[in-house]
Amino acid sequence: EPEVTQTPSHQVTQMGQEVILRCVPISNHLYFYWYRQILGQKVEFLVSFYNNEISEKSEIFDDQFSVERPDGSNFTLKIRSTKLEDSAMYFCASSELRVSSGELFFGEGSRLTVL
Amino acid sequence: KNEVEQSPQNLTAQEGEFITINCSYSVGISALHWLQQHPGGGIVSLFMLSSGKKKHGRLIATINIQEKHSSLHITASHPRDSAVYICAIRGADGLTFGKGTHLIIQP
Repeated sequence: EPEVTQTPSHQVTQMGQEVILRCVPISNHLYFYWYRQILGQKVEFLVSFYNNEISEKSEIFDDQFSVERPDGSNFTLKIRSTKLEDSAMYFCASSELRVSSGELFFGEGSRLTVL
Repeated sequence: KNEVEQSPQNLTAQEGEFITINCSYSVGISALHWLQQHPGGGIVSLFMLSSGKKKHGRLIATINIQEKHSSLHITASHPRDSAVYICAIRGADGLTFGKGTHLIIQP
């Protein structure tokens, strides 16, 4: 069964360092998303991506965040200068259709710990 | 701003019981998702609804657009159903998630 894969599963980094989280969405999907979940809190939307550009982003997704689809398969989330409060589980998701029309498929998540 | 309220926050039941988890939201939506988050953190999409009712195995999801309310039901619950169940709505602000309902099914 096709699945969304994320790497790394866990990353520990020092405050101020750059982090790149990688996702391989399901191959025929067109819409890609990043979400985050701070420990003990609810899942929060970060950004959606379609046709090689950001289609929506939340207030959380400020200038220190960026997304990219560098090739035909990977979808990356970059955090330029990590802060302690960036520690969270980051989930990638993809869908064949817009999230209002199609089912979302989530990766297993990348746990980021900023020290 | 969309708000999503789930109830109960925590639910412990015995194996075999019929489970209902509720989700209410404040504004118009185009779709509602029910998600299951495993103890390890992974998230699985269970249903995507825009109207009516859907059934998959022992899981049933309903939505009432006029009342801005959705329910997730689990029939013949089993310990492997133990997880956090999350309601998420698609509105003008994108996807908004509820805090989740932590379900424990005891053998």
